[in-house]
This record gives sequence, C-alpha cells and structure tokens, in this order.
Amino acid sequence: EIVLTQSPGTLSLSPGERATLSCRASQRVSGSYLAWYQQKPGQAPRLLIYGAYRRATGVPDRFSGSGSGTDFTLTISRLEPEDFAVYHCQQYGSSPATFGGGTKVEIK
Amino acid sequence: QVQLQQWGAGLLRPSETLSLTCAVYGGSLSGYYWSWIRQPPGKGLEWIGEISHSGSTNYKPSLKSRVIMSVDPSKNQFSLKLTSVTAADTAVYYCAGSTAGRVYCSSSSCLFDFWGQGALATVSS
Repeated sequence: EIVLTQSPGTLSLSPGERATLSCRASQRVSGSYLAWYQQKPGQAPRLLIYGAYRRATGVPDRFSGSGSGTDFTLTISRLEPEDFAVYHCQQYGSSPATFGGGTKVEIK
Repeated sequence: QVQLQQWGAGLLRPSETLSLTCAVYGGSLSGYYWSWIRQPPGKGLEWIGEISHSGSTNYKPSLKSRVIMSVDPSKNQFSLKLTSVTAADTAVYYCAGSTAGRVYCSSSSCLFDFWGQGALATVSS
C-alpha cells in the first residue's frame, strides 16, 4: 500500500500568514488522485481538495493544492482564525486508500 | 444533500465484536460507495473497507479476516462488524460516503465527500 508522509507534524503560524503543508507518497500516486481534508476537534474531516488541485464545493479560494507523482502541497494563502485545524492528505489512486498522519496548524 | 448518522460501538472487552450502523438521509444507497474509516486517539485516519449498494465489498487486507460489512436497502443503512477486538482497535469510527464516478473515484479507490459524526469504540478489560 502507498504510505503518505505529511510534514511538518505541527505548523505554528499567526492569522494572515501563509501555510504550506507537504504530503509525500512512497510510490507515485496514479492520476494525481490526491485529496486534502480539514478536521477540527470533535468533528469529522471535511473534503477541501480533490484531484490534487480541485477545490471542493464551498471551499474558499485561499486554499490551493498542487503537485503530482509523489510530492503534493496544500497552501493556505492567508490564514483565517477558522483555518487552525488538522489537515490530512489521502490518496485514492490505488487500493487500499491511505491517509497521511496529519499536519496540525496551530496559532502561534 | 446526503447526510449520515451513525450509532453503536462504546465500551468493549477484548475478543468481543464491535458493531456500528450508519443511516443515509437525503439520498439512496445507490450511486455511492459506503466506507468505514477509523482514527485512533491522537493518530491519523485508517480506511477499513467499503461496500456498494448491491453488497459488493472491498476490505483493507490487514483487517479483512475480522471485518464484515453489510447493507440494508430497505432501511437505507449500512453496517460494520469487527470481530475479536483488542486495545489496538480503540478509535473513533466514522462512516463515510463516496459519490461514484470518475470525479471522486479512480478505478481502484475513492475519496470521501461526506462523513458521519463518528463514534468512539474503547476496548478495555
């Protein structure tokens, strides 16, 4: 199965700053079938990005995804207070679907 | 808009069977794939397996021997049973849905565009 490694584990930033999150795969993710989710405490994950760069319905355009092959990035251009959360990447190009360990974006 | 509501789990003893059910509201079972995903405390997410509206299943290989998924179209529900649980199965369990089709699914797997609220299963003697 494809192992996804997210870095950093924790990102400490201030509102208004730019956040760059990395997701690296142990093998090529076919078709760039890579998704990103946001999870807040006590809540289920929420789909943000699919197909590596496509924003899900209702997701603000400050969220953007990029990458292909084995290296993918989620960028939040200017952090809003509601953006402080845990972010998970997931590949769905092969079975079983797998997730990264998550990156926590916390207020500095 | 499709919404999921789940129930079950709770406190289990080692070797017992974990049972969870998820009800689908605002849509039918067809046209989607239905998955179970778990998250141990403080850890990442793990896909357990999926079932289609017709009952076809696909389980994570490492859990396959202990997982049973079923679907009840008459009630618009799907269920998970995980047998012979140990402390390592302690987690929040989520049901999730994937809209079938090329947008959200490859030929092998899918992403998860809607989720249940989660249910904690704690395995302790």
